[in-house]
Formats: sequence, structure tokens, C-alpha cells
Amino acid sequence: DAGITQSPRHKVTETGTPVTLRCHQTENHRYMYWYRQDPGHGLRLIHYSYGVKDTDKGEVSDGYSVSRSKTEDFLLTLESATSSQTSVYFCAITGTAYGYTFGSGTRLTVV
Amino acid sequence: GENVEQHPSTLSVQEGDSAVIKCTYSDSASNYFPWYKQELGKRPQLIIDIRSNVGEKKDQRIAVTLNKTAKHFSLHITETQPEDSAVYFCAQYNNNDMRFGAGTRLTVKP
Repeated sequence: DAGITQSPRHKVTETGTPVTLRCHQTENHRYMYWYRQDPGHGLRLIHYSYGVKDTDKGEVSDGYSVSRSKTEDFLLTLESATSSQTSVYFCAITGTAYGYTFGSGTRLTVV
Repeated sequence: GENVEQHPSTLSVQEGDSAVIKCTYSDSASNYFPWYKQELGKRPQLIIDIRSNVGEKKDQRIAVTLNKTAKHFSLHITETQPEDSAVYFCAQYNNNDMRFGAGTRLTVKP
């Protein structure tokens, strides 16, 4: 497909539990991003990475952490999930910092 | 970073008519303006983009115009077809910060 996969595709979790979402790419792209999508808000940047172990915060980073130990994997962790983190999460990659390619998304429900 | 305002939030047109979606940005340093199409339950996909040194770009039935002075850019779809029905997002980019509009749900009625 587009050289980017997200897992899991769907997850239901309880409030207060930790959750990790995975983004895997086969394009060897430098830049990777995590967005959340909510009705009326479009896509909002959570965190991004510009290389192995190089990450930075985005617009809505509170409650989230990320790690990138390999070029191909970018992990998003919710340390203690809350209902406000119920959302669809998209990973994106780009080799040039332009023209993002998005993954298929992870639908997360926190109950 | 600063956000992008996108209008309208919903748009319904008859097949064959044109559709126009407008976005306004405030970050004058933004230099790249892409448009994404998202079909129901699918990922956003890039359909067209424009750099800040260009005023207009066209690709078959879709075109994007950019007015840097007024800080707005628009997506134009001509001869709309039912398969154009989707949510469209504009975005502005500056220094690794891509900000998206809230989206426009376009419905093309056969």
C-alpha cells in the first residue's frame, strides 16, 4: 500500500490504563507524525519526529509521549488514558517535510 | 503555529456543477499549502498542493489558487462527480508545523 501501517486499527480501553499505538514505515523517511482527528477540529498534531530519538511536541501533546528508537517505528503512548483521548489517531510520514502520507488510522475508545 | 479557517463546513452541489472551498491563514511565514481528501472511514490523501511562490496550480478538474497578500487559498473542483463526495481539508505548513482546517464535507448529488 502506502508503505505505512498502523496498529492496532481499533482499540477499546478503560480510563486510567496505558495504551501504545504503533506506526511502522517501510519508506525510510526521516519525518514521522502523530495526529488526532476529532469532529470540528480537523487534524491536530500531537508529536512528531525528525530522526531516531529526535522528537518534538505538537499542538496537543499533553497526556501523550512518543518514542522513536528505529527509523521505521514511531510509538505513541497514552500513559493514563482519559475519555477526552477517545479519537481517531493518524500517523503520517514524509521524506521532505512536505506531502504527507497518512496511515489508515487507529480508532481508540476510552470507556 | 497558527490555525487555518476553512469554509464552508458543508457543501452540497449537483453533479456537473463546480465546488469552491476557501481557507484563510494567519501565519505569513507559511510556504506550502496542501489539500487533502478523506473518504468515509479512510485516510486523508493529498490531492493537490501549492507553494508560496506560485499563484495557481491545476490538475485536471481540480485547481488551487493562492493569494498571499490576503492570506487565503481556495480549492476549485469543476464538473463534479459523485465520487468527489468526501471531506476536504486544507492545510498550511511552516517549519515542520502543518496546521489543518476543520474540513469541508462535500456532497455531490447525482
